[in-house]
This record gives sequence, structure tokens and C-alpha cells, in this order.
Amino acid sequence: GNSVTQMEGPVTLSEEAFLTINCTYTATGYPSLFWYVQYPGEGLQLLLKATKADDKGSNKGFEATYRKETTSFHLEKGSVQVSDSAVYFCALDNNAGNMLTFGGGTRLMVKP
Amino acid sequence: ETGVTQSPTHLIKTRGQQVTLRCSSQSGHNTVSWYQQALGQGPQFIFQYYREEENGRGNFPPRFSGLQFPNYSSELNVNALELDDSALYLCASSLSTSSYNEQFFGPGTRLTVL
Repeated sequence: GNSVTQMEGPVTLSEEAFLTINCTYTATGYPSLFWYVQYPGEGLQLLLKATKADDKGSNKGFEATYRKETTSFHLEKGSVQVSDSAVYFCALDNNAGNMLTFGGGTRLMVKP
Repeated sequence: ETGVTQSPTHLIKTRGQQVTLRCSSQSGHNTVSWYQQALGQGPQFIFQYYREEENGRGNFPPRFSGLQFPNYSSELNVNALELDDSALYLCASSLSTSSYNEQFFGPGTRLTVL
């Protein structure tokens, strides 16, 4: 079956530090891959996505590259801000039906 | 344009009771998916409705059931509630079932089963 594994949090960084949140997946075929963000008190929001191998998704300074050879979709940002503090979820859709399999989430805390 | 809304915001039930959660999809969206998010975990896919028909189902027992109405709003029903059903229930709507169309999530309904 499909599964997504994320690094466990919390990840605590100082403002302007470099961020990496690891995500690996197990799936047959060619899934679409997503990063969602859940800010405190708010609903899940799509952060970025990639639909085929070697695609790079990017948004708000975040980026992730779909690596089929390592079945990974790691999230990176060059300089985090306090406002980036949230829970980040990696997810996949393996049959192009918008039925997502999520990872367990990684809480990011950015300190001023 | 109104986003995805869910009601109620919070709900407390006792074991064995039944509950109905409601979701209004974003305007023009014909696909609604429901997810269960236990505390500290990622959301788990329950089922999806497309044009009033169930279009796919995750690994949830039959006591989890749903409906989608002609205006594409949706209900999630859970019978014979168990303590482990305590979770945040999320609904998400999209223009179609294709993953090329973004899913928009509602704020969720927090269900507590005592």
C-alpha cells in the first residue's frame, strides 16, 4: 500500500536558519506529491506540489523536488521566519483521484 | 467566494451514540473528501463523494457513512461511536477528482467521545 514517512518533530530553529524536513514515500506507479501546512488554529493549506519525477514545487520561499530514485520529496527553505511556525504534512495521491495519504506531520517552531 | 465550511465546530458525544457532521463545499466544487485526524497525527482518508456517489473509500468500517447532496454539500455519519473516534474531522472540496485540481480544506469539526 501507499505510505508517507516524515521526520519527527518538533524542529526548532532560529529565525533566518535553513530548513529541511525530510519526506520519503512508498507507492507503486507515479504518485503526485504534496506539502500541506497547518498554521495554529487554521485549516490545512496546500503549500506546494509536484506531479512527476524531477519536478520542483515552490511557494513562499519553500521548495521540494520529486526524486523518484530515492522516493523522496524533502521540503527546504533557505531562511525561515517566525511566521513559518506551523505543522507541515507531506502527502501523496497515487491514483490521481485526490485521495491523499498523509505523513504524520512535523511541527516547526521558529524562534526570534 | 466562500471557502469550505464545516459544522459544528466542536461536538461531545458518549460511546455508542451516533453523530452527523456537515460540510459545505466551495462554490463550483463537485468533489468532497473526508479525513480523520487524530491528535498529533496526520489526516487519514475516510471516503470521497463525486456528484452524489461514493467514489472511493479508505480503511474505515461501515459504521462510517456519508452522503452528498445535489448542491454538493456533504454529511459524514458515524454510528456506534467508540472512544477512538475522538478526532478532528476534515472535509476538503475540489473542482474534480483529479489531483491536478487543488483540494481546499475546511477548518474541521472536533469530535470528543466520552
